[in-house]
Amino acid sequence: EVHLVESGGGLVQPGESLRLSCAASGFTFSNYWMHWVRQAPGKGLEWVANIKPDGSDEYYVDSMKGRFTISRDNADNSLFLQMNSLRVEDTAMYFCARGTMGSPGSDYWGQGTLVTVSS
Amino acid sequence: QTVVTQEPSLTVSPGGTVTLTCASSTGAVTSGYYPNWFQQKPGQAPRSLLYSTKNRHSWTPARFSGSLLGGKAALTLSGVQPEDEADYYCLLYYSEAHLWVFGGGTKLTVL
Repeated sequence: EVHLVESGGGLVQPGESLRLSCAASGFTFSNYWMHWVRQAPGKGLEWVANIKPDGSDEYYVDSMKGRFTISRDNADNSLFLQMNSLRVEDTAMYFCARGTMGSPGSDYWGQGTLVTVSS
Repeated sequence: QTVVTQEPSLTVSPGGTVTLTCASSTGAVTSGYYPNWFQQKPGQAPRSLLYSTKNRHSWTPARFSGSLLGGKAALTLSGVQPEDEADYYCLLYYSEAHLWVFGGGTKLTVL
């Protein structure tokens, strides 16, 4: 059974950094694109970034380029999101999601980890 | 900035049929945007329903179907059940920019 479990969220001050993790199990992690998606409180979904199965390429929404970095460790079945220079507007639930095999999209999602940026 | 637009809210009666749409600010939505549809209930993570316009996952009930309709992606629910009350999001892939964009979501009320 596919499982995705996010961790690393918490309360930070503006300008600080945070590293989110997503532990994957139940599938061959190294075969799949992986995504980060976020959702601000009471708002809609926002795609953040994704990364190729072998980690050779990564893509970001423009507003997060240069501040956020997606990475993965295929040996450890883990996905990461390094978030720097955090802003109040980055407050959100952050979900990791598995890409759909053979087609752009995502199928399985984790339950999310909450990031709160506040002074 | 690319914007994906959905109906903010729709209401349907139990047993009825409703169609949700997903439009792109760049023009007509085609299969090359690989439309995906997600369902989210309060306090839960999103759940994927459809990918590549009309393909269901193994867990997606047959009453959910996808299509392209009048230059938009569409999600049709037939024989709506009370448990279908939820927020629904579409996702489009802009391949040249390697960009994914979610629509603003449709709040579906079953009443």
